[in-house]
Amino acid sequence: NAGVMQNPRHLVRRRGQEARLRCSPMKGHSHVYWYRQLPEEGLKFMVYLQKENIIDESGMPKERFSAEFPKEGPSILRIQQVVRGDSAAYFCASSPDGILGYTFGSGTRLTVV
Amino acid sequence: DAKTTQPPSMDCAEGRAANLPCNHSTISGNEYVYWYRQIHSQGPQYIIHGLKNNETNEMASLIITEDRKSSTLILPHATLRDTAVYYCIVRVGRNTGNQFYFGTGTSLTVIP
Repeated sequence: NAGVMQNPRHLVRRRGQEARLRCSPMKGHSHVYWYRQLPEEGLKFMVYLQKENIIDESGMPKERFSAEFPKEGPSILRIQQVVRGDSAAYFCASSPDGILGYTFGSGTRLTVV
Repeated sequence: DAKTTQPPSMDCAEGRAANLPCNHSTISGNEYVYWYRQIHSQGPQYIIHGLKNNETNEMASLIITEDRKSSTLILPHATLRDTAVYYCIVRVGRNTGNQFYFGTGTSLTVIP
């Protein structure tokens, strides 16, 4: 049973480009969470999704950021017109029921140059 | 709003027990205590969680005080691979959608 798969592991984008981060949850998990970790800081919650629905996006920046979790395929975190301040590690986690603890992926490290 | 307080760093000799404290004085009756760790920028790894009883698994033990205002994570025989940042988190366990609030955690260094 593969764990939470995130790709790419590393992503470099120039300022103004778009970044698309993918997360495939564990088999049987229909709840997905995205977190961001800036250098030397703790993880900050961004968004919680259940298949085809956004449950809680209270941690998402109001502009340029969006997330989806379609019926088929991975969850996507999309960052439009990236800026240097978007450089961070983005972690995805999944849960079977949204109740107890969840499993994290290895993260995508985004570098904006 | 991490709702927990942890020392920023600790050292532990290899082979000894590592005792990591956490204060959560404002914890509510339906909030669980969770522990995760993050090894060198990898994804956080679940360790253990509990509500009010002490818990033990293959990785660690969790001791929660009777008033639930603090807890201690115990790694019984620390190894060099246990060097990591340890996060203590309180979360409502049975309410769909409640995310984890990660604070700055405790950076544990296991010394040979």
